[in-house]
Amino acid sequence: EVQLVESGGGLVKPGGSLRLSCAASGFTFSSYSMNWVRQAPGKGLEWVSSISSSSSYIYYADSVKGRFTISRDNAKNSLYLQMNSLRAEDTAVYYCARENDIVVVPASVWFDPWGQGTLVTVSS
Amino acid sequence: SSELTQDPAVSVALGQTVRITCQGDSLRSYYASWYQQKPGQAPVLVIYGKNNRPSGIPDRFSGSSSGNTASLTITGAQAEDEADYYCNSRDSSGNLVVFGGGTKLTVL
Repeated sequence: EVQLVESGGGLVKPGGSLRLSCAASGFTFSSYSMNWVRQAPGKGLEWVSSISSSSSYIYYADSVKGRFTISRDNAKNSLYLQMNSLRAEDTAVYYCARENDIVVVPASVWFDPWGQGTLVTVSS
Repeated sequence: SSELTQDPAVSVALGQTVRITCQGDSLRSYYASWYQQKPGQAPVLVIYGKNNRPSGIPDRFSGSSSGNTASLTITGAQAEDEADYYCNSRDSSGNLVVFGGGTKLTVL
């Protein structure tokens, strides 16, 4: 069974740090780009960051650039998100998701599967 | 702000057909993908590519695209289809990913 399981969420004070992990199983992790997507309480989905299969290409949303760092360990089938200088507006459920795509124009990108999410609360 | 625009809410009578739309410049170059999210649950992919359904998604879900607008159509909506629906695609640069703001579907 293809599965993603996030961990590492919790309560942290503004300005603090937290490291999220995502454990993958049931597929060849090293062959896929991976992403983090978050959802603030009562709000929509927001893409956060992506990392290519070999970590050669990394991208961030402007809202987290310079504060968050995505990484992966293909030997451990794991994805990470190091979050520094956390703000109240970073409070959200954070999902990891496997990226799939078609590059032939018109191209397409889709996320499947998704993990169950881990809640990050930034509050004093 | 999102580069993909969705109507915040749509309603449909049980058994009728509903179309949920997603607009954005990047959709001229990229197909949108669609996700269903029920309260307290992770999103689930329902449509990807030109019009592909993952295994387990009922065939009443279909996708289409024209110009800068992508559409998710539910033909014969069921009570269990009541959920939030999100579209996504690459952004205009081709490197980042964007989500629409989401559409809350109510089945009457």
